Amino acid sequence: DAGVIQSPRHEVTEMGQEVTLRCKPISGHNSLFWYRQTMMRGLELLIYFNNNVPIDDSGMPEDRFSAKMPNASFSTLKIQPSEPRDSAVYFCASRGQGVSYNEQFFGPGTRLTVL
Amino acid sequence: SQQGEEDPQALSIQEGENATMNCSYKTSINNLQWYRQNSGRGLVHLILIRSNEREKHSGRLRVTLDTSKKSSSLLITASRAADTASYFCATPFGAGNMLTFGGGTRLMVKP
Repeated sequence: DAGVIQSPRHEVTEMGQEVTLRCKPISGHNSLFWYRQTMMRGLELLIYFNNNVPIDDSGMPEDRFSAKMPNASFSTLKIQPSEPRDSAVYFCASRGQGVSYNEQFFGPGTRLTVL
Repeated sequence: SQQGEEDPQALSIQEGENATMNCSYKTSINNLQWYRQNSGRGLVHLILIRSNEREKHSGRLRVTLDTSKKSSSLLITASRAADTASYFCATPFGAGNMLTFGGGTRLMVKP
């Protein structure tokens, strides 16, 4: 398995532009998480999906942020409009069931820079 | 908000020495996990210890858990330059076993 796949790996955009981050979880995993990592705030959970349904989005910072999971193999995190304070590394992670219920598998992240 | 807090924030040792990192958390848990993050990469799960366990080993890793003190430690024995990374403790919360991560310990192992 290729692991969790994220694209793009790097994104540089200007303030006010729309940004879409993409994630493909590990096949067979039914839970998906979006995180944001910054030096100031560390690793923050933004949203959690289970079986493609958003379960907890209390970590989504503002209405400018939205996430979707149209099917079991794809999720997007969108920021519209983007602001410089959104600059961070965004990680997607997935989790399976059974004995691996606790372990999360992280993607390589998308480094977002908003100018 | 972060549930776990690692101590120290940064640690620099020589290859071959042992590295000990500590984690404190605030609420009751049923397990605690440790993850490693190499520079520019995603986090990788290292080990999980359950609340009814006091110590667990995996290769050169030794994890302890003291639920009365709400603390855990990660010991890396005979460290190698390749162990240079940030190490995070994580505790579950919510019905969906979501994770909250501590601020991490940055470990540098000098060859």
